[in-house]
Amino acid sequence: DTEVTQTPKHLVMGMTNKKSLKCEQHMGHRAMYWYKQKAKKPPELMFVYSYEKLSINESVPSRFSPECPNSSLLNLHLHALQPEDSALYLCASSQVYAPWEGFDEQYFGPGTRLTVT
Amino acid sequence: SQQGEEDPQALSIQEGENATMNCSYKTSINNLQWYRQNSGRGLVHLILIRSNEREKHSGRLRVTLDTSKKSSSLLITASRAADTASYFCATAAITGNQFYFGTGTSLTVIP
Repeated sequence: DTEVTQTPKHLVMGMTNKKSLKCEQHMGHRAMYWYKQKAKKPPELMFVYSYEKLSINESVPSRFSPECPNSSLLNLHLHALQPEDSALYLCASSQVYAPWEGFDEQYFGPGTRLTVT
Repeated sequence: SQQGEEDPQALSIQEGENATMNCSYKTSINNLQWYRQNSGRGLVHLILIRSNEREKHSGRLRVTLDTSKKSSSLLITASRAADTASYFCATAAITGNQFYFGTGTSLTVIP
């Protein structure tokens, strides 16, 4: 199974709502990632988890809260978002994250398209 | 911005022709990767080239890397309509904690 799944596919939320994005992989990968991608722009790295521990937080606002409950699951909790946070949120995984070797090839999910109203 | 630049921004070719995309980046790297993205969906990893490699092949793909010029190119030979997608380079900085995608090239292959 070389698939990364993400739910939901689409999400519309108000600025006062709390919601969560979910990501799952069953490839035995020990590194998982969240990216944000605005329309017609490249993906931007948000968070990196390695062995279920947060390794990189790219200065993401605290209204985005990641969680890695186990090696197969990655969540992104959303609270008090702004309309400019509307984007495609991509999850990815790789075998490992080893800074001394550089980022490994990543397997991406299809993304969650988030609209904040 | 640490983001790499790709050119051209958009490329339209006939099926069967070759497509070449170029990527320039700013930092010293451990490796450089190429990804494909169809219509705002998830990305698919194509090829990874390490900083001590100069050229790599995978099927119809050929990637070159020139670390002295901080540039890379992706060649797709004998293109097919199914190759229509956006192509991104991504650099893994030598610091180990930075991973940046380039601005992307939108490729259209006309049947």
